[in-house]
Amino acid sequence: AQTVTQSQPEMSVQEAETVTLSCTYDTSESDYYLFWYKQPPSRQMILVIRQEAYKQQNATENRFSVNFQKAAKSFSLKISDSQLGDAAMYFCAYRSRNAGGTSYGKLTFGQGTILTVHP
Amino acid sequence: NAGVTQTPKFQVLKTGQSMTLQCAQDMNHEYMSWYRQDPGMGLRLIHYSVGAGITDQGEVPNGYNVSRSTTEDFPLRLLSAAPSQTSVYFCASSYGPGPRTDTQYFGPGTRLTVL
Repeated sequence: AQTVTQSQPEMSVQEAETVTLSCTYDTSESDYYLFWYKQPPSRQMILVIRQEAYKQQNATENRFSVNFQKAAKSFSLKISDSQLGDAAMYFCAYRSRNAGGTSYGKLTFGQGTILTVHP
Repeated sequence: NAGVTQTPKFQVLKTGQSMTLQCAQDMNHEYMSWYRQDPGMGLRLIHYSVGAGITDQGEVPNGYNVSRSTTEDFPLRLLSAAPSQTSVYFCASSYGPGPRTDTQYFGPGTRLTVL
C-alpha cells in the first residue's frame, strides 16, 4: 500500500516571500500521479498542482511549482511571492496510474500542513 | 453548473441513529468517492464508484454503505452512528482515467457530530 507523509504540521511565511512545503511518499509502483490540494477555512478542497511521475519536468502553475525527485520519492511544493490568500491547509496526495478496473479515483493523502501567511 | 454539492452541511446524531449524506454532481463524471477528514490524519477513502451500479471499498469502509443508481448521485449511509464517526465528510468526483480528465473535484463537506 502507498503512504504519503507530510512532516511539517505547520509552516509560516511573510507576504511576498517564498515557502516550500515538503512531502514524501512510499510506493513500489513506477507510474503514478502526485497532487497538491489547498483547503482554505471554507473547507473546500482545491487542486493546486498535478505531477505525472513519468514526466521528469517539474509542474508549474503560476506562483506554484513542485520539486519532484522520483528516486528520493519526494514531492515538495514551492509557493513564490506568497499572498494572504495562500493561507490554508495544504495536502499532498498520491494516485496510481496503472490501476485498472475500480482502482481509479483512489487518492491517498498526507496529514496536511497548515500554512500561515504574515502581512 | 453547480459542480459537486453535498447536503447537509452540518449534522448532529445520537449514537445508534442512521442517516444518509447526500452527494450530487452535474459534470457527468463517472468516478465518485467519499472521504472522511480527521485531525492529523488527512483524508481517508471510505467508498468509491467508477460508474452507476459499480462501487468498491476504500481504506475505512466499516459502518458505511453506498450505492450508485445514477451517474449524478452517490449517497453515503451511516447504518448505526457511533462517536468514532464524528468527522468531516467530503464527496469528490472526476471524469475518469486519463492524463487530463482524472483531476478530482471536491464538494464543500459535511461536518458530522455523533453524541
